[in-house]
Amino acid sequence: KAGVTQTPRYLIKTRGQQVTLSCSPISGHRSVSWYQQTPGQGLQFLFEYFSETQRNKGNFPGRFSGRQFSNSRSEMNVSTLELGDSALYLCASSFTSGSSYEQYFGPGTRLTVT
Amino acid sequence: AQTVTQSQPEMSVQEAETVTLSCTYDTSESDYYLFWYKQPPSRQMILVIRQEAYKQQNATENRFSVNFQKAAKSFSLKISDSQLGDAAMYFCAYRSSIYSGAGSYQLTFGKGTKLSVIP
Repeated sequence: KAGVTQTPRYLIKTRGQQVTLSCSPISGHRSVSWYQQTPGQGLQFLFEYFSETQRNKGNFPGRFSGRQFSNSRSEMNVSTLELGDSALYLCASSFTSGSSYEQYFGPGTRLTVT
Repeated sequence: AQTVTQSQPEMSVQEAETVTLSCTYDTSESDYYLFWYKQPPSRQMILVIRQEAYKQQNATENRFSVNFQKAAKSFSLKISDSQLGDAAMYFCAYRSSIYSGAGSYQLTFGKGTKLSVIP
């Protein structure tokens, strides 16, 4: 079974631009969570989607948004990029939304904002 | 809100030796899950081991085992017979088992411990 895939793997953007990252979960998985990883703040939860609905959202500004499609693939969008948005963005999928289900992580998208 | 603390930013171990990584957490909940994740230089986050808080028995996965002390809110990871491939960042993480609103199924991570394995 294929793992979680994220595209693109690397991205360079300029301040003020917007960016869309994509995540394809493991086949059969319906829940997708997004995390931001930076050297200063560590790993922080962005949001979780389940059955095309946002279930949970972390403490991030409204510039960060996401969505999930009927095939469970998810995208996250960051508008008006700031230098501080430079980070590794990790996507994790699980069979369903719930505490007992394992989250399987993708390889991440490295975003650099200049 | 729950917090997870890893007090050892870096550690090193000789190949074939044993090393213990520390983790403490703060929560008012009685039922939850704890995890250790490994993140090698490739950046792929890999689940190493998980512990359900209601289970008193410490989890074990091959060379990896935990020492779960619920009253002390401590969750350490022991790696036996360390191998070069164990070199990575290790993250301790917490997840509530009760849905109580936005964000409650999220993983809360510690800052990580960078483990080096010396040949």
